[in-house]
Amino acid sequence: NAGVTQTPKFQVLKTGQSMTLQCAQDMNHEYMSWYRQDPGMGLRLIHYSVGAGITDQGEVPNGYNVSRSTTEDFPLRLLSAAPSQTSVYFCASRPRDDAGELFFGEGSRLTVL
Amino acid sequence: AQSVAQPEDQVNVAEGNPLTVKCTYSVSGNPYLFWYVQYPNRGLQFLLKYITGDNLVKGSYGFEAEFNKSQTSFHLKKPSALVSDSALYFCAVRAGRTSYDKVIFGPGTSLSVIP
Repeated sequence: NAGVTQTPKFQVLKTGQSMTLQCAQDMNHEYMSWYRQDPGMGLRLIHYSVGAGITDQGEVPNGYNVSRSTTEDFPLRLLSAAPSQTSVYFCASRPRDDAGELFFGEGSRLTVL
Repeated sequence: AQSVAQPEDQVNVAEGNPLTVKCTYSVSGNPYLFWYVQYPNRGLQFLLKYITGDNLVKGSYGFEAEFNKSQTSFHLKKPSALVSDSALYFCAVRAGRTSYDKVIFGPGTSLSVIP
């Protein structure tokens, strides 16, 4: 069972570069989300989606874009990376209307120089 | 706005002793409450949740949590700590019961169980 798969696991960027963090899930979950984890700040919600074609902003959306063209995939785009975006990023999913828990990927560690 | 507080950055407990990791929240309505655990360099794993009903919730690995509506708390407990319980613990709240309701996490508490 693959669950939630994130790629890449590690990435180093220079300021101003762009990149996409990939997230795919094979559980047919409608709800998908992106968090960033920083020391002492826990997990902060960046963007989320309740289904294909529907996305919305979380707590810290600036500098990030998302789209949801399929149920399975929810990529996170950094258009012009900044050092403040150095973090560990987690993708998580759950069934949309269920009281259930989030299922997390293993994380993507991004360093912006 | 909804928020989650974990007042202790670090909790140290001796192996075999009971442990408590504290969580308080601020949301309107009837929230869903969760605890997750994170081991080094891994994603978060679900431990337990409160949806409705009995205020004492039992979860994975012998953990349990007590929901207290009047104190808006959801403390994580275990009767006898193991060294393998050492990890980072996150409390989370989902304020509503619609598909659009977001899950907000606390800052995390690092638990160290000392042999």
